[in-house]
Amino acid sequence: NAGVTQTPKFRVLKTGQSMTLLCAQDMNHEYMYWYRQDPGMGLRLIHYSVGEGTTAKGEVPDGYNVSRLKKQNFLLGLESAAPSQTSVYFCASQLAPTPYNEQFFGPGTRLTVL
Amino acid sequence: EDQVTQSPEALRLQEGESSSLNCSYTVSGLRGLFWYRQDPGKGPEFLFTLYSAGEEKEKERLKATLTKKESFLHITAPKPEDSATYLCAVQPFSSGSARQLTFGSGTQLTVLP
Repeated sequence: NAGVTQTPKFRVLKTGQSMTLLCAQDMNHEYMYWYRQDPGMGLRLIHYSVGEGTTAKGEVPDGYNVSRLKKQNFLLGLESAAPSQTSVYFCASQLAPTPYNEQFFGPGTRLTVL
Repeated sequence: EDQVTQSPEALRLQEGESSSLNCSYTVSGLRGLFWYRQDPGKGPEFLFTLYSAGEEKEKERLKATLTKKESFLHITAPKPEDSATYLCAVQPFSSGSARQLTFGSGTQLTVLP
């Protein structure tokens, strides 16, 4: 099992450009999450999905969109990148929530917006 | 609002020097408290889940404990390979079916040989 994988690992964008980050998991997990990690602020939830075809907003959703067309994939899109979106992005997945299962994280995508 | 505060922000220990990391939390109702380890350039790696006050869990040199207001991660006789950032997260009952986590900003541990 590869676990949770993220593509790409690094990306540099110019302000106003768009891009999509791909998260894939091979553990048949129902729940998937996108976080961003900034120095001194911890991990903050952007969007999440509790199943194929469903998505919901997290703590910091502005400027991002997501899609979960297939159970194993969760896409994070930036329509018009801004320097404030420079961050490290982590995807996580979790098996159905009973009992209290932990979240498994991918290796991250480091995004720089110039 | 759910809050998680970790202290200290950074800790340097000599190899073999035991210590504890603190995670203080404020939640309306705690479903679970999670500890993760994060190495530079990598994603967080799950360590423990604690569900109720008084619970303890151990893994090698690490032991996590939980009270109604805080959790401690005790590191006994640490080795250089224990150097990492340790993250604490809470999952409140208010997270509902989403099972969302609220993370602290972490403690960066450095163990010197």
